[in-house]
Amino acid sequence: QSALTQPASVSGSPGQSITISCTGTSSDVGGYNYVSWYQQHPGKAPKVMIYDVSKRPSGVSNRFSGSKSGNTASLTISGLQAEDEADYYCSSYTSSSNVFGTGTKVTVL
Amino acid sequence: EVQLVESGGGVVRPGGSLRLSCAASGFTFDDYALSWVRQAPGKGLEWVCGINWNGGGTRYADSVRGRFTISRDNAKKSLYLQMNSLRAEDTAFYHCARYYGDYPGDTERYFDYWGQGALVTVSS
Repeated sequence: QSALTQPASVSGSPGQSITISCTGTSSDVGGYNYVSWYQQHPGKAPKVMIYDVSKRPSGVSNRFSGSKSGNTASLTISGLQAEDEADYYCSSYTSSSNVFGTGTKVTVL
Repeated sequence: EVQLVESGGGVVRPGGSLRLSCAASGFTFDDYALSWVRQAPGKGLEWVCGINWNGGGTRYADSVRGRFTISRDNAKKSLYLQMNSLRAEDTAFYHCARYYGDYPGDTERYFDYWGQGALVTVSS
């Protein structure tokens, strides 16, 4: 049950695109198409942005997209906006648990 | 509107016990699996445990297995977490979270609603 690996921080200017990676193993990310991504603003509960690798819940901007290749999943935010500044966590289903990533702080320059 | 409200947090000495509750409203409680996810102050999210829709299936993180017990009372629309043998490293906000599901027994693959969390502090 080791945490999935994410970069500690990613930054970009308004309007740019950024990508956050999430690396696991064949027992989690690589083994199932059940990767999800969460956005968390300070003092707030997490909010799901992507589920099942690339699906967006109703109400989430289409600027957010997800993908996966092998044991690594990715979240891309296009047209970066000031409100996107937050912490982002990936998560994967496994046969015995759910596991989260180490978290990435996104800064809008 | 779906709401999950945690209660029962507080300060406890190492080795002590505490019971958290999560009151649910706004959805058919016994159609959904539920989970506890914790977050130490300033740190990342950590999945703690989960329970299926009827309480017949539970799963635990290695870090809490044997010390924590998750349970639910569908009649009361409530989720519980009994925490025993608490350690300093258990200090965190504990969030109640609902697993998305198309039907009872669906794969517990992501969380669609979260509570604000209850703070548990383990300190002497």
